[in-house]
Amino acid sequence: DIQMTQSPSSVSASVGDRVTITCRASQSISGWLAWYQHKPGKAPKLLIYDVSSLYSGVPSRFSGSGSGTDFTLTISSLQPEDFATYYCQQADSVPPAFGQGTNVEIK
Amino acid sequence: EVQLVESGGDLVQPGGSLRLSCAASGFTFTNFWMAWVRQAPGKGLEWVASIHPDGRARYYVDAVKGRLTISRDNAKNSLYLQMNSLRAEDTAVYYCARDPGYASDGFEFDYWGQGTLVAVTS
Repeated sequence: DIQMTQSPSSVSASVGDRVTITCRASQSISGWLAWYQHKPGKAPKLLIYDVSSLYSGVPSRFSGSGSGTDFTLTISSLQPEDFATYYCQQADSVPPAFGQGTNVEIK
Repeated sequence: EVQLVESGGDLVQPGGSLRLSCAASGFTFTNFWMAWVRQAPGKGLEWVASIHPDGRARYYVDAVKGRLTISRDNAKNSLYLQMNSLRAEDTAVYYCARDPGYASDGFEFDYWGQGTLVAVTS
């Protein structure tokens, strides 16, 4: 099974900051990686699929990149509504695996 | 508007059973794989199971094989999770999720419900 490792586990940032979250897979997953945003008590939201495709309705300040085993989610200018936990997830094979999450907190 | 509404979560004793339901609306249910994903208290997201649009193919995480069963009723636009032989480690919020079908061999999830809480405790 493929394992996903995110870093950092937590980041403190201010509105307007650029935030980068990384995700490493235990083996190559080609182009099948997704990113989600999750707020307490809410349904998770798909942000990015297939490594870099922006899901419908997601602001363009979110972007994804990477290949092979190393991937990145970037928020170009953090907004108040972006404070949440972010998860990567490999969609290359079954079982789909999520990273442990990155909590983006207000500085 | 796509909506997924879970129900059936409850407090149950170890070894007990529970059936979760997910009512889907706003899309053609029969066109999509569906899944259950859970989040234990203080933990991250964990995929539990997925089911083919016609119900004939099902996949499970190893930790629940033989105890949890995913099913669907396409006539009722509903997804289910039958949970038997429940353990304390099954305590979690369970989310119903739709797979958009982007990935050829794996699963991704574009719509999620709000979740229903299952607590397994004596």
